[in-house]
Amino acid sequence: DIVMTQSPLSLPVTPGEPASISCRSSQSLQRSDGYKFLDWYLQKAGQSPQLLIYLGSTRAPGVPDRFSGSGSGTDFTLNITRVEAEDVGVYYCMQPLQTPYTFGQGTKLEIK
Amino acid sequence: QAQLVQSESEMKKPGASVKISCKASGYSFTTHAIHWVRQVPGQRPEWMGWLDVRTGDTKYSDNLQGRVSITRNTSATTAYLDLSSLRLEDTAVYFCARHWGMGRLDNWGQGTLVTVSS
Repeated sequence: DIVMTQSPLSLPVTPGEPASISCRSSQSLQRSDGYKFLDWYLQKAGQSPQLLIYLGSTRAPGVPDRFSGSGSGTDFTLNITRVEAEDVGVYYCMQPLQTPYTFGQGTKLEIK
Repeated sequence: QAQLVQSESEMKKPGASVKISCKASGYSFTTHAIHWVRQVPGQRPEWMGWLDVRTGDTKYSDNLQGRVSITRNTSATTAYLDLSSLRLEDTAVYFCARHWGMGRLDNWGQGTLVTVSS
């Protein structure tokens, strides 16, 4: 199975400041056609996960442009340019390259 | 607007079975696969398996082989998760999710809490 490792696990951020979350996989998530099979999800308290970013860097419909994804191979990053109060929750990376799909441990973003 | 609505919470005894439903609406049910993911509170989600809704083909996590079954009723636009021989550690929130394509799970059910307790 592909192991997903996130850092940091806790991320206190002042509103308006940027935030960055790292996700590393135990094997490359880049397919031979160039597609990068890495998704980012946000799970707010008591809710289901919601898709933010897919294929490493494509924002899902309705996701604010302050969210961006980057990376390749085994190293990926989620960036938030200016954190807002509504961004609080746990962020997960997930690899859908092969089954079983696997998730990172989660990064809990909180407002300072 | 696409929506997945799951059945209500369940409480079961060890050794029993549970069947959770996931009713899809707002899109063509047979066009997209359905995945099932579970999450113990405070832990990362765990992928359980997926169903090709059009063909009925399935793939399951090795960790659950023999205990899990995912089926569907296309006329009712509903997918089902069956988990048998329940253990205390199966206590979790179970989610169904639509697979849009290229890996992404773009629409999730609200979750169904299954509690296994003697």
